[in-house]
Amino acid sequence: GNSVTQMEGPVTLSEEAFLTINCTYTATGYPSLFWYVQYPGEGLQLLLKATKADDKGSNKGFEATYRKETTSFHLEKGSVQVSDSAVYFCALSDLQGSSNTGKLIFGQGTTLQVKP
Amino acid sequence: NAGVTQTPKFRILKIGQSMTLQCTQDMNHNYMYWYRQDPGMGLKLIYYSVGAGITDKGEVPNGYNVSRSTTEDFPLRLELAAPSQTSVYFCVTMGEPYGYTFGSGTRLTVV
Repeated sequence: GNSVTQMEGPVTLSEEAFLTINCTYTATGYPSLFWYVQYPGEGLQLLLKATKADDKGSNKGFEATYRKETTSFHLEKGSVQVSDSAVYFCALSDLQGSSNTGKLIFGQGTTLQVKP
Repeated sequence: NAGVTQTPKFRILKIGQSMTLQCTQDMNHNYMYWYRQDPGMGLKLIYYSVGAGITDKGEVPNGYNVSRSTTEDFPLRLELAAPSQTSVYFCVTMGEPYGYTFGSGTRLTVV
């Protein structure tokens, strides 16, 4: 079945450091891919998405490119801030896949802590 | 504002009690989902619905039930609450033009 694997955290960085959070997926068909962010005590917010191979999603300085050949969707940011401290979830949707139920399948989440 | 409304926001249940988590949306989305999020974990799908009158089990349906009599409402029923059901529950909808929309969550503790 479909699945998402993220690098384990926590990831601790100093302010202005470069961030990469790895995400790989297993899916049939052509899923859409997402990154969500969750700040402490809050729900999930969509950070960025990509719906087809080679698409690049971007938002608030974060970027991720849909790589079908490596089944990956790694999240990157060139210079992190303390305010980026949160939990980041990679997810895929099977809406364009064989089951067409639109279910979101999440990775386990990666905690990012940015120190001043 | 269009969105997904979940009630209650917090609840403490005793073992064996029952309750219904409410989820209402005003975006006319056909697809609706219930997820639970355990501490330090990702979200796991409990039940989902692709339209009024249609529901199906997700990854972790045991101990829960759902109904979908209208497009707007998708309540999640817990029967005989157990400590293992202590979690944060999110209702999610999907449709145009908003894509996936998350409710703010219900934090449930079973003691």
